[in-house]
Amino acid sequence: NAGVTQTPKFRVLKTGQSMTLLCAQDMNHEYMYWYRQDPGMGLRLIHYSVGEGTTAKGEVPDGYNVSRLKKQNFLLGLESAAPSQTSVYFCASSRAAGEQFFGPGTRLTVL
Amino acid sequence: SQQGEEDPQALSIQEGENATMNCSYKTSINNLQWYRQNSGRGLVHLILIRSNEREKHSGRLRVTLDTSKKSSSLLITASRAADTASYFCATDWQGAQKLVFGQGTRLTINP
Repeated sequence: NAGVTQTPKFRVLKTGQSMTLLCAQDMNHEYMYWYRQDPGMGLRLIHYSVGEGTTAKGEVPDGYNVSRLKKQNFLLGLESAAPSQTSVYFCASSRAAGEQFFGPGTRLTVL
Repeated sequence: SQQGEEDPQALSIQEGENATMNCSYKTSINNLQWYRQNSGRGLVHLILIRSNEREKHSGRLRVTLDTSKKSSSLLITASRAADTASYFCATDWQGAQKLVFGQGTRLTINP
């Protein structure tokens, strides 16, 4: 099992460009999450999903959109990237509201 | 915000010594979790303790939970160089399907 995978691992964008981060899990988990981690800080929840076709806002949702069209995939979109979105993005999944399994992260730089 | 707070923010000890990290939170919880993050990697789940439990062990890890004080501690005994990492506590809102992470304790084990 691959667990939770994230694509891409690194990306550099210019201000105003758009991109989509892909998260995939092969553990048949219902719940999936997108977090961002900034230097010296913990993880902050951007959006999450409790099942296929459902999404909800987390702590810092502004500037991001998400979609969960398939149970195994959770996409995070940036429509118009800003330097404040420079961060490391982590995806996670869980069976229920318990132990979360994390991907390796995507390091995004917005110039 | 219900964000947990870890204390200390950084801890440096000699190999073989015990390391203790503390976490405080603000509102009622169903469970509290501890995660480890090695530099540049995703988070790895260490242990989950439920609100009706006071202490839990896993190998060299011991976690306590005091719901009256809204605090938890993580003890790593007989530390090893490989324990060098950041450690995060995470709490759930009662009935919520998401976690709130603290800012972490950066642990360094000196050989």
